[in-house]
Amino acid sequence: ETGVTQTPRHLVMGMTNKKSLKCEQHLGHNAMYWYKQSAKKPLELMFVYSLEERVENNSVPSRFSPECPNSSHLFLHLHTLQPEDSALYLCASSQAPPPAGGYGYTFGSGTRLTVV
Amino acid sequence: AQKVTQAQTEISVVEKEDVTLDCVYETRDTTYYLFWYKQPPSGELVFLIRRNSFDEQNEISGRYSWNFQKSTSSFNFTITASQVVDSAVYFCAPTLGYNDMRFGAGTRLTVKP
Repeated sequence: ETGVTQTPRHLVMGMTNKKSLKCEQHLGHNAMYWYKQSAKKPLELMFVYSLEERVENNSVPSRFSPECPNSSHLFLHLHTLQPEDSALYLCASSQAPPPAGGYGYTFGSGTRLTVV
Repeated sequence: AQKVTQAQTEISVVEKEDVTLDCVYETRDTTYYLFWYKQPPSGELVFLIRRNSFDEQNEISGRYSWNFQKSTSSFNFTITASQVVDSAVYFCAPTLGYNDMRFGAGTRLTVKP
């Protein structure tokens, strides 16, 4: 399998639930990202991992917890979310984080999250 | 502040029309990269093009062309003879600052048959 794969594609969870989003890439990339895409808002960068180390955290609430166990896998652990956290969560990977080489990102299809 | 602006929120055209999507950005950097991505209804963002700030030569790829003007900080995207399959949201994304690919708000293009 090639590209970036995200699971699940759709997720409905209650505010007291704990769930995890999974992202997997088989491109040999060294950087991985989580983005949040809400209706009528620009894509928001949440987390950046380079060589499995977190290098960027854009003031994301602690109810979102990322994990990068190896360069091919990235998780986003969710707990006690709010309805306003409902959005499309996109994972991406690149050979290196910007601006090194200006590598483009390869995106997954996203997980559509609904918090009820 | 470093930011990117896609002023056109939505554009609707009839098939075979040409359409240009605008992108203007602000940066303090002298070296940076510019990208365009397409997001079809399936949700996945698809890479279209990458340009670096030293190369102002315009590029054409089939029905797609890009006009980079460093003096005006613009990187516009034109689709010639649009098709229904071009309907999607298009994002301009410059790399502004370290670890920061900044996406514009996107332009939703609808091509009607």
